[in-house]
Amino acid sequence: DTEVTQTPKHLVMGMTNKKSLKCEQHMGHRAMYWYKQKAKKPPELMFVYSYEKLSINESVPSRFSPECPNSSLLNLHLHALQPEDSALYLCASSQDGGGREQFFGPGTRLTVL
Amino acid sequence: EDQVTQSPEALRLQEGESSSLNCSYTVSGLRGLFWYRQDPGKGPEFLFTLYSAGEEKEKERLKATLTKKESFLHITAPKPEDSATYLCAVQAGYGQNFVFGPGTRLSVLP
Repeated sequence: DTEVTQTPKHLVMGMTNKKSLKCEQHMGHRAMYWYKQKAKKPPELMFVYSYEKLSINESVPSRFSPECPNSSLLNLHLHALQPEDSALYLCASSQDGGGREQFFGPGTRLTVL
Repeated sequence: EDQVTQSPEALRLQEGESSSLNCSYTVSGLRGLFWYRQDPGKGPEFLFTLYSAGEEKEKERLKATLTKKESFLHITAPKPEDSATYLCAVQAGYGQNFVFGPGTRLSVLP
């Protein structure tokens, strides 16, 4: 099974709201990733967790806050977002961080009003 | 700086008309090159991993090859359901991040 699940599928939020995106995998993978994807552009890496520790933060604004409660779960907490943050947010996982394929979830379509 | 380019940007084929997509890369210490298929509004679907020059992988109508500077995704006798954006990504050095190319949007007309 190579499934990564994400909830919710769609999210509309105001600029003052606080919301969270959730990601789950049961493949025993030890690396998990958050990407942001704008229309007709490739995914852009935001964060990498390796063995439940944050290993890469690609200079993402502090209004995005990642959390890895355990090896199967990854959250992205959102607060005071801007309309330009509207995008498809993708979660991915890989067996580890070293040269292994990443498996992506279906994404959460986020709209910030 | 690691760079990945893809060509063409968009490709329209008739059903059954075979073609190739190109992914060129400039990286220090390639650890892996990955091909994905992405349908609109969905997450990328993993297709292939290639690790060293000369390596080839096949899956149904798709065949991926790798040289020291580029990779090709050959599509043989494509069908309309092969229409999608095809992304390649590389992982290099000791980093964990993927560097994605901009993608090739493929349309296969019946």
